[in-house]
Amino acid sequence: GQNIDQPTEMTATEGAIVQINCTYQTSGFNGLFWYQQHAGEAPTFLSYNVLDGLEEKGRFSSFLSRSKGYSYLLLKELQMKDSASYLCAVTDSNYQLIWGAGTKLIIKP
Amino acid sequence: GAGVSQSPRYKVAKRGQDVALRCDPISGHVSLFWYQQALGQGPEFLTYFQNEAQLDKSGLPSDRFFAERPEGSVSTLKIQRTQQEDSAVYLCASSLAGELAGVFEQFFGPGTRLTVL
Repeated sequence: GQNIDQPTEMTATEGAIVQINCTYQTSGFNGLFWYQQHAGEAPTFLSYNVLDGLEEKGRFSSFLSRSKGYSYLLLKELQMKDSASYLCAVTDSNYQLIWGAGTKLIIKP
Repeated sequence: GAGVSQSPRYKVAKRGQDVALRCDPISGHVSLFWYQQALGQGPEFLTYFQNEAQLDKSGLPSDRFFAERPEGSVSTLKIQRTQQEDSAVYLCASSLAGELAGVFEQFFGPGTRLTVL
């Protein structure tokens, strides 16, 4: 079966750095997405990785290792507004998105 | 610019009622997706349209669920004879891409929160 694993919840301190991991087992791979979802709101796109390596976009970076079936989202200089759920999603061989359950990130002052 | 809109934002239905949920995608977006999201979970795929063609409905949980996009823009998700287990947030997303839509960014609407009593 197809599976996306990410931690259920993480806590971090304002101004610090946090890494949210995602491991996947899917039938084929055509890219990995990270989305941010604030409570009661729609998911919004953060990043897309299809090749191995690190993609940096401001305070957020996303890393992919296809051989390990692994990705992480790195958030630097955390702000209170970063409190949200972070969803990992993988595009499989049929170009369908398989979603993880999301990681709820709690930022403390 | 207008994003994806959904209506109603909240819907309360009595068990056994039929409901219709509307999605207005971003103008010009070819692909449209419906997802079901339970509390604390990621979105679960329901169905996918490319223009007016429903190319994948493998995620619809039962034959009580029906979706259409007759003119390739607005879409409606209909749930007949609602059950308590249908209570969830129903998200609509659109994408500019047609083919290979799964590798392009999806733009989500705010969702419809359905509560079945």
